[in-house]
Amino acid sequence: NAGVTQTPKFRVLKTGQSMTLLCAQDMNHEYMYWYRQDPGMGLRLIHYSVGEGTTAKGEVPDGYNVSRLKKQNFLLGLESAAPSQTSVYFCASNRPAGSGANVLTFGAGSRLTVL
Amino acid sequence: AQSVTQLDSQVPVFEEAPVELRCNYSSSVSVYLFWYVQYPNQGLQLLLKYLSGSTLVKGINGFEAEFNKSQTSFHLRKPSVHISDTAEYFCAVSALTDSWGKLQFGAGTQVVVTP
Repeated sequence: NAGVTQTPKFRVLKTGQSMTLLCAQDMNHEYMYWYRQDPGMGLRLIHYSVGEGTTAKGEVPDGYNVSRLKKQNFLLGLESAAPSQTSVYFCASNRPAGSGANVLTFGAGSRLTVL
Repeated sequence: AQSVTQLDSQVPVFEEAPVELRCNYSSSVSVYLFWYVQYPNQGLQLLLKYLSGSTLVKGINGFEAEFNKSQTSFHLRKPSVHISDTAEYFCAVSALTDSWGKLQFGAGTQVVVTP
């Protein structure tokens, strides 16, 4: 049981380049989330999805887009990377409320550097 | 909206000494409370959670936390730490009214255990 898998683990981009981070979960979870982690700021929610084909904005959505075409995958895209997007990105998944009460399972993270 | 304040950014502690990590939250609605741990270069894993019932919650690796509603606190304690407890610890809250399981994280507390 792999849980939540993120690819790639590391990436270096130049300003203006685009890229996609992939998150895959094998637990049949309905809910998926993308967070970014920055020193002294904890984790902040970028976007989330409560089911296949649905996405919603979190606390810091600007500069990012997401898609959930398949239940098991949640993609985070940067169309034009900026140095302010240098961060560690975490994907998480969760069962619906009432079936496990908000216990998120996290991936190992993807470290992105934008030069 | 909810907010979480972790009162210490870094806590140095000697091996076999006790440790307490402080967490205060603010919310206009009732919340679930969580502590997550992040070991170096890894994702987050759940230490313990408070959903309802007894205000003293026991988690993995000998950690426990006490929910104090009047003081809106959820402090984490361990009576005797090991070198392997060196990690970053995050307090998080989720509103009971949030059907999507979104978590609001504190900024984190880095625990450094030395011999």
